Amino acid sequence: AQSVTQPDIHITVSEGASLELRCNYSYGATPYLFWYVQSPGQGLQLLLKYFSGDTLVQGIKGFEAEFKRSQSSFNLRKPSVHWSDAAEYFCAVVPDTGRRALTFGSGTRLQVQP
Amino acid sequence: GAVVSQHPSWVICKSGTSVKIECRSLDFQATTMFWYRQFPKQSLMLMATSNEGSKATYEQGVEKDKFLINHASLTLSTLTVTSAHPEDSSFYICSARHPVAKNIQYFGAGTRLSVL
Repeated sequence: AQSVTQPDIHITVSEGASLELRCNYSYGATPYLFWYVQSPGQGLQLLLKYFSGDTLVQGIKGFEAEFKRSQSSFNLRKPSVHWSDAAEYFCAVVPDTGRRALTFGSGTRLQVQP
Repeated sequence: GAVVSQHPSWVICKSGTSVKIECRSLDFQATTMFWYRQFPKQSLMLMATSNEGSKATYEQGVEKDKFLINHASLTLSTLTVTSAHPEDSSFYICSARHPVAKNIQYFGAGTRLSVL
């Protein structure tokens, strides 16, 4: 079945440490790929997206993600985490260009230790 | 950037009453808006696609008579939870599709519904 998988439910990192959040998808063709962040009391904010072209994409707040077709992955990274990065992170895809609706992964909750 | 406003942010109602949630795109026109539902510590599940001037398209398992969607203008979509019951308590989130960058959605802050 077509799906988006985020294997890590909860991750804790120390402030200043590097971060990688995993995302895998299972679709026949390469979908459009997104990472969103959800903070309490705020709407989902788009961090970055991949449609085509360069497989390493830069986003806001110092985040980047790399699309790897061979692994069907789109992992999110940040070289140095800040306490304000603590939030819920969702990987999402648009699997069918005609439908346009997003399909979300289950989310990864990031906790940042001082 | 594009802003989507969702109102109210939190509502408590009695069982059997109806609740209306508004989703507005403030600085762009959206022919398509989406309604999602999020249970605690879970992901967002698409409920329906709202198209301006036409009937909404509901996902399998979503009762269209219970979750009424109206998209009467290019900047406003409403979700009405009719005859609400405690099991309808959830976090409801809307999004609006950008008119030019059609694969990008902008999200409202969500509405927490608690049905007593």
